[in-house]
Amino acid sequence: QKEVEQDPGPLSVPEGAIVSLNCTYSNSAFQYFMWYRQYSRKGPELLMYTYSSGNKEDGRFTAQVDKSSKYISLFIRDSQPSDSATYLCAMKGAQKLVFGQGTRLTINP
Amino acid sequence: AAGVIQSPRHLIKEKRETATLKCYPIPRHDTVYWYQQGPGQDPQFLISFYEKMQSDKGSIPDRFSAQQFSDYHSELNMSSLELGDSALYFCASTTRRRGPSYEQYFGPGTRLTVT
Repeated sequence: QKEVEQDPGPLSVPEGAIVSLNCTYSNSAFQYFMWYRQYSRKGPELLMYTYSSGNKEDGRFTAQVDKSSKYISLFIRDSQPSDSATYLCAMKGAQKLVFGQGTRLTINP
Repeated sequence: AAGVIQSPRHLIKEKRETATLKCYPIPRHDTVYWYQQGPGQDPQFLISFYEKMQSDKGSIPDRFSAQQFSDYHSELNMSSLELGDSALYFCASTTRRRGPSYEQYFGPGTRLTVT
């Protein structure tokens, strides 16, 4: 079983919809939780990070971490076609960053 | 703002050849990570360096080696290339000077094709 599980999708929603992306994990040592966005043939781009449990909001994006359930989420409000990309959750304890499989998201105009 | 630079962007090699990938971190970043991403896969951690010393090792084959130089750039050397080595290779950088290095900034990647 992978340390980090993420539904690969694909996920297709209409423009303006609220998108919910999720990951679960098994390693209790993870303390830092990140979401990366990756466009085709590009490197992952850091979107948001959170430390331990809680919520963090940045514009249309909200990241939630529930350490008791080992569950993290990324919400995208008022989704735009430019949000179409693969979204990867990532987590780290000491040094190594462990990625989820990535969810391919398409926002339809 | 300056980003992570990787070269070359594309590389085609034959089986059993060698390849060298280069990574130039963001200025003042002291830590470099290497990842391998196969088609439709998540990035897999290979190896990392902090202040020119290897700091962590992941699923890097023995045929691969890497180092970080005095100017903090890093090179990934791959020998006896196999078809399965075809992938995107990403370098990421960060700095530990301000505390835990949870923000890794990725370069555009090198696409290696082994034929």
